[in-house]
Amino acid sequence: GDSVTQMEGPVTLSEEAFLTINCTYTATGYPSLFWYVQYPGEGLQLLLKATKADDKGSNKGFEATYRKETTSFHLEKGSVQVSDSAVYFCALKIGTYKYIFGTGTRLKVLA
Amino acid sequence: DAGVIQSPRHEVTEMGQEVTLRCKPISGHDYLFWYRQTMMRGLELLIYFNNNVPIDDSGMPEDRFSAKMPNASFSTLKIQPSEPRDSAVYFCASSESQGLGNTIYFGEGSWLTVV
Repeated sequence: GDSVTQMEGPVTLSEEAFLTINCTYTATGYPSLFWYVQYPGEGLQLLLKATKADDKGSNKGFEATYRKETTSFHLEKGSVQVSDSAVYFCALKIGTYKYIFGTGTRLKVLA
Repeated sequence: DAGVIQSPRHEVTEMGQEVTLRCKPISGHDYLFWYRQTMMRGLELLIYFNNNVPIDDSGMPEDRFSAKMPNASFSTLKIQPSEPRDSAVYFCASSESQGLGNTIYFGEGSWLTVV
């Protein structure tokens, strides 16, 4: 069935380090792909998205490229900040309404 | 535009009591979702509505849970009677039906503790 697999956390980095959070998916058809971020005590917020193969989504220094050949949508940021500490969710959308979320990866950035 | 609005933000209740969580979706959105988030199970879809009609409630854990959407701007999730294992964060979310990359927008959640 359709699914999303994220790397286990937590991920702990020093400020200004390079970030990669891996995400792979299994889906029938042609899904849209998303990264959501959840800050402590808040709901999930859209970080970026891509709707077709080779699209790159980007926002706030984060980026992810829709790789159909490897069924991946890895999240990257060149230089993380303490304020990036949060839980990051990879998700896919199939059709009109079917959203599938990964289990989330907690990121902790140390000053 | 206002986002998805949920109430209450926090609720502490005693086991056996009825709990009602409320949601106002983003205006113009025709899909509404209720999710539950726990440490053990992550984010689970409980039920979703399209144009106020419940489409899939297979994620509702048991008969103690019920959800309604009487109109396009309001939905409720009710738990009766509540149990300690229902303690979780309950998120309401909404989206539009048009387009491939339509985003699902989440509310800030209702943090429920059943003691």
